[in-house]
Amino acid sequence: NAGVTQTPKFRVLKTGQSMTLLCAQDMNHEYMYWYRQDPGMGLRLIHYSVGEGTTAKGEVPDGYNVSRLKKQNFLLGLESAAPSQTSVYFCASSRTAPSSYNSPLHFGNGTRLTVT
Amino acid sequence: LAKTTQPISMDSYEGQEVNITCSHNNIATNDYITWYQQFPSQGPRFIIQGYKTKVTNEVASLFIPADRKSSTLSLPRVSLSDTAVYYCLVGENDMRFGAGTRLTVKP
Repeated sequence: NAGVTQTPKFRVLKTGQSMTLLCAQDMNHEYMYWYRQDPGMGLRLIHYSVGEGTTAKGEVPDGYNVSRLKKQNFLLGLESAAPSQTSVYFCASSRTAPSSYNSPLHFGNGTRLTVT
Repeated sequence: LAKTTQPISMDSYEGQEVNITCSHNNIATNDYITWYQQFPSQGPRFIIQGYKTKVTNEVASLFIPADRKSSTLSLPRVSLSDTAVYYCLVGENDMRFGAGTRLTVKP
């Protein structure tokens, strides 16, 4: 099992460009999450999904869109990148709700995005 | 929305026991309390989870009082490699990490 795989690992964008970050998990998990982490800060929740075809906003959703067309994939889109979106993006998945017994979050290795 | 409060930072020395307390006053009845560890440039990883009383695994212990409004992560005999940020999480689907506790272990 590869676990949670994020692509790409690094990306540099110019202001106004768009891109999509891909998160793929091979554990048949229902729940998937996108977080961003700025230097020296904690993780902030962007969007999440509790199952295929569902998405919900987290604490910092503005400027991002997501889609969960397939259970194993969770896509994060930036339609018009801004320098404030420079960050490390982490994807995570869990078997069911992470607050449930034996259903912790499994994280990918992150995508480092720089917007100039 | 369940919210957690932890100390921003803690210092310790190798070989000492470290206790990090997290308060979660409005935890829901069915929620488990889960702790994660994060090293620089890596995603967080699961350490331990509990519902009430005490849980112990090969890495840590978790103490939860009867009212479940707080929890304490205990790391026995820390080493330099335990220097990391530690997060406690509670809540339903909307899992927010907060700032965590930055633990620095000194030689």
